[in-house]
Amino acid sequence: EVQLVESGGGLVKPGGSLRLSCAASGFTFSSYSMNWVRQAPGKGLEWVSSISSSSSYIYYADSVKGRFTISRDNAKNSLYLQMNSLRAEDTAVYYCARDPPTDAFDIWGQGTMVTVSS
Amino acid sequence: DVVMTQSPLSLPVTLGQPASISCRSSQSLVYSDGNTYLNWFQQRPGQSPRRLIYKVSNWDSGVPDRFSGSGSGTDFTLKISRVEAEDVGVYYCMQGTHWPRTFGQGTKLEIK
Repeated sequence: EVQLVESGGGLVKPGGSLRLSCAASGFTFSSYSMNWVRQAPGKGLEWVSSISSSSSYIYYADSVKGRFTISRDNAKNSLYLQMNSLRAEDTAVYYCARDPPTDAFDIWGQGTMVTVSS
Repeated sequence: DVVMTQSPLSLPVTLGQPASISCRSSQSLVYSDGNTYLNWFQQRPGQSPRRLIYKVSNWDSGVPDRFSGSGSGTDFTLKISRVEAEDVGVYYCMQGTHWPRTFGQGTKLEIK
């Protein structure tokens, strides 16, 4: 079964850091681009960042550029999001999502909640 | 950034009746390869999003054929031929033609 499982969310103070992980199974992880998408409480979906299969191409939303870093370890079938200088507006459920060839977001994880509050 | 505008934002529907959601983009979504990267997602209450339709009108695996997508250029529609109770949730369009990828605001479908 194709599956994505996020972890690493929690409560962090403004200015703090957190590292999210996404464990992939059931498919050849190294062949797919991957993404992080977030959803603030009661709000819509916002794309955060994307990384190509070999990490050659990386993109960020302007709202997180310079603060967040996406990475992957194909040997461990894992995707990561290092989040620094966190702000209250970063509070959201963070989903990892797979890109099928030439398209976007065909498989989603269950999400992990990040709360930024003092 | 490409702005995706959905309407309506709230959609009360009687069981068994059709439903339609409009999505308009601020720029053409036709990519240089000739494809149009417009997808539709369903998010049921308390669940992760699920992709229903990709590249305007293609069904994802397991999606009932009562769902259909259409449109071109900047104007797109998701239709449900006969709404069932399990269709309750929020529907989002999303464009993958231009960076950054952007979503519509979401349309909340409820049973009347």
